[in-house]
Amino acid sequence: GAVVSQHPSWVICKSGTSVKIECRSLDFQATTMFWYRQFPKQSLMLMATSNEGSKATYEQGVEKDKFLINHASLTLSTLTVTSAHPEDSSFYICSAVAGFDTEAFFGQGTRLTVV
Amino acid sequence: AQSVTQLDSQVPVFEEAPVELRCNYSSSVSVYLFWYVQYPNQGLQLLLKYLSGSTLVKGINGFEAEFNKSQTSFHLRKPSVHISDTAEYFCAVSLNAGNMLTFGGGTRLMVKP
Repeated sequence: GAVVSQHPSWVICKSGTSVKIECRSLDFQATTMFWYRQFPKQSLMLMATSNEGSKATYEQGVEKDKFLINHASLTLSTLTVTSAHPEDSSFYICSAVAGFDTEAFFGQGTRLTVV
Repeated sequence: AQSVTQLDSQVPVFEEAPVELRCNYSSSVSVYLFWYVQYPNQGLQLLLKYLSGSTLVKGINGFEAEFNKSQTSFHLRKPSVHISDTAEYFCAVSLNAGNMLTFGGGTRLMVKP
């Protein structure tokens, strides 16, 4: 299957700082990327849908000013957690698709810890 | 809107025993169904999917699932589990082949020697 790479795999940051997470499709062009959040021992919750060249669509309850998503190219989407707080600590996972009706491929996830 | 219910949060089983992980879904329209596996601190790997055709779907690692439309279920089965199958398993639905997935709460499969 296709490869989606997420970087970093883990990050620890101080409260109040911003953290950028990258999601790259290595061997295909991703028209759409999805960002999920997973709390410990819970399921994945969709945060936003990101289409190349346009603004991301955020799910209800997700603060777009706090979770900045950029999808500037067909192989890269970034999620920036701004002014991070301890409650933002979570596992963030991205997925990418080549087209509307195609299989999603997942990155390996990023564990964010805010201290 | 769609929803997915995984009835068991944890399933302990002995090695080489059979296992079934249950999944029920709710949707007013036809959906596609998926099972994913997640190992600790990793992303998701697709085990199998049902898009159309035969209701019995075979996936990787010896897993299979059966789509039952009347019972709105998509239970995952394996006839003989290994220690290495210990992981979190997620059932998911989508209106298309894989985008905009709605996940169930997950089932932790714990295989004991």
